[in-house]
Amino acid sequence: AQSVTQPDIHITVSEGASLELRCNYSYGATPYLFWYVQSPGQGLQLLLKYFSGDTLVQGIKGFEAEFKRSQSSFNLRKPSVHWSDAAEYFCAVGYQKVTFGTGTKLQVIP
Amino acid sequence: DTEVTQTPKHLVMGMTNKKSLKCEQHMGHRAMYWYKQKAKKPPELMFVYSYEKLSINESVPSRFSPECPNSSLLNLHLHALQPEDSALYLCASRQVAGVNTGELFFGEGSRLTVL
Repeated sequence: AQSVTQPDIHITVSEGASLELRCNYSYGATPYLFWYVQSPGQGLQLLLKYFSGDTLVQGIKGFEAEFKRSQSSFNLRKPSVHWSDAAEYFCAVGYQKVTFGTGTKLQVIP
Repeated sequence: DTEVTQTPKHLVMGMTNKKSLKCEQHMGHRAMYWYKQKAKKPPELMFVYSYEKLSINESVPSRFSPECPNSSLLNLHLHALQPEDSALYLCASRQVAGVNTGELFFGEGSRLTVL
């Protein structure tokens, strides 16, 4: 069965600092991988996705993620965090059936 | 138009009521989804419709009844719910052919409170 693990429940970073959110997945074939962001009480917005090709993918809002098959990982990065990035971040895997990780709550301090 | 629209945004119902949640998209997507999200938890898949046919039911209790009347609309009929069913219900759609398949587009959700 497919699954996603996000080991960090809560991360706090200073504004302007770099960010890395971890994601490990389990999937039987070449994975479809996603990162979504959710503000409180809102729906989910896609930050980026990986289906195939270049393992370093660029997304919106200055985010990027790197697919590492050998480590079953798809970590999200941003070189300089802005206060508006504070939100819940979900890693997800799957095609027709998309499974989400438990999420990482990002707090940004000035 | 890249929106998924859900109505109502908020719904309060008693355990004996019958209500419905509605979802609409005009992106030509032929897969539509219902997810349930409890506070501080990830979205949990409930149902998937593909080409207006139910393709995935994640063992959801029968008090939740999905309906896909056409390719743009998805309903979730609610009856005899329990307080523990209170949650944010998210609708999503997905293109099933072409370059951008796989990506889910989400609505803002319907916040359901069962008294």
